Amino acid sequence: NAGVMQNPRHLVRRRGQEARLRCSPMKGHSHVYWYRQLPEEGLKFMVYLQKENIIDESGMPKERFSAEFPKEGPSILRIQQVVRGDSAAYFCASSPPNRVDGYTFGSGTRLTVV
Amino acid sequence: GQQVMQIPQYQHVQEGEDFTTYCNSSTTLSNIQWYKQRPGGHPVFLIQLVKSGEVKKQKRLTFQFGEAKKNSSLHITATQTTDVGTYFCAGGYNAGNNRKLIWGLGTSLAVNP
Repeated sequence: NAGVMQNPRHLVRRRGQEARLRCSPMKGHSHVYWYRQLPEEGLKFMVYLQKENIIDESGMPKERFSAEFPKEGPSILRIQQVVRGDSAAYFCASSPPNRVDGYTFGSGTRLTVV
Repeated sequence: GQQVMQIPQYQHVQEGEDFTTYCNSSTTLSNIQWYKQRPGGHPVFLIQLVKSGEVKKQKRLTFQFGEAKKNSSLHITATQTTDVGTYFCAGGYNAGNNRKLIWGLGTSLAVNP
């Protein structure tokens, strides 16, 4: 049973480009969460999605950031027109549909904006 | 809004010493979860506490949930270098369909061999 798969592991983008981060949840998990982490800092919640629905996006910046979790395929976190301040580790986590349980995290995508 | 405060932010111990990190919530929690993140790694789920006054043990780790379900602690007995990392607590609140957790800022543990 594969865990949460995130790709790419490392992503380098120039300022102004777009970054697309992908997350495939664990098999059987229908809840996906995205977090951002700066070096030596805690986890900052960004967005919580279920299939085809955004449940809570209170942590998402209002501009340039968007997320989706389509019926088929992985969840995507999209950052348009990246700036240096977007450089961070982005973690995706998933949880099962029918019980409150711990999250399973992916290995993260380290985004570097140059 | 809901907040989870975690202390201390950093802890440096000699191998063999004990370590404790504490979490406090501004409001009553439905559950609390604990995670460990090794340097350069991703958070890994350790345990979930649900009941008032609950105590759970995992080898040298002891987790407690307060009677009022507003605070929790993680205690490590006789630390080892493999315990190095950041320990996060994350609180769940009864919020209908929203399963978002509120995270503490973590306690970074360094262990001197």
